[in-house]
Amino acid sequence: DIVMTQSPDSLAVSLGERATINCKSSQSVLHSSNNKNYLAWYQQRPGQPPKLLFYWASSRESGVPDRFSGSGSGTDFTLTISSLQAEDVAVYYCQQYYTTPLTFGGGTKVEIK
Amino acid sequence: QVQLVESGGGVVQPGGSLRLSCVASGLTFSTYGMHWVRQAPGKGLEWVAFIRHDETFKYYADSVKGRFTISRDNSKNTLYLQMNSLRTEDTAVYYCAKDLVRYFDHWGQGTLVTVSS
Repeated sequence: DIVMTQSPDSLAVSLGERATINCKSSQSVLHSSNNKNYLAWYQQRPGQPPKLLFYWASSRESGVPDRFSGSGSGTDFTLTISSLQAEDVAVYYCQQYYTTPLTFGGGTKVEIK
Repeated sequence: QVQLVESGGGVVQPGGSLRLSCVASGLTFSTYGMHWVRQAPGKGLEWVAFIRHDETFKYYADSVKGRFTISRDNSKNTLYLQMNSLRTEDTAVYYCAKDLVRYFDHWGQGTLVTVSS
């Protein structure tokens, strides 16, 4: 199984400041046949189901604000919120879909400082 | 817009059974694979099972293999999860989610399953 490790477990950021979340996979999720990273990011606000933010590591889902960005390749990935807003308080998860079983990172909780 | 509505959760004793349903609307259900993903109270997300759009392929997490069965009825736009031999560690909110190349682009609100004596 591919193990997904997120860091930090939680972070507190002031409104308008940058938040950076890291995700590391135990093996590469870059597929050589199409040069795509099989990595997605989700946001889960309190009491809500997860919501897709990014797929293919950096392709933003429709409707996701451009203050969110996804980057990385191979085994190391980053989700960045460039200017934290109150509505961004949530837990963020990465997920690999390179192979089954599909696996998630443990989540990173983002709070307001 | 796509809507996924789960039902069937509840309280069940260890060793018992439960069947979850997920009714889909706003999409051509028969053309999409579907998943079940669960979340134990206060914990992270765990993928449970996947079924191809035409039911020709199914796969399961090791933690549920042999106990859970995923199925669908495309004529009713409905996804199912039959859960047998339930354990306390199966306690979780169960979400159905629409597949898009094995990531999840739409999620239901979830249904809570509690396994307790």
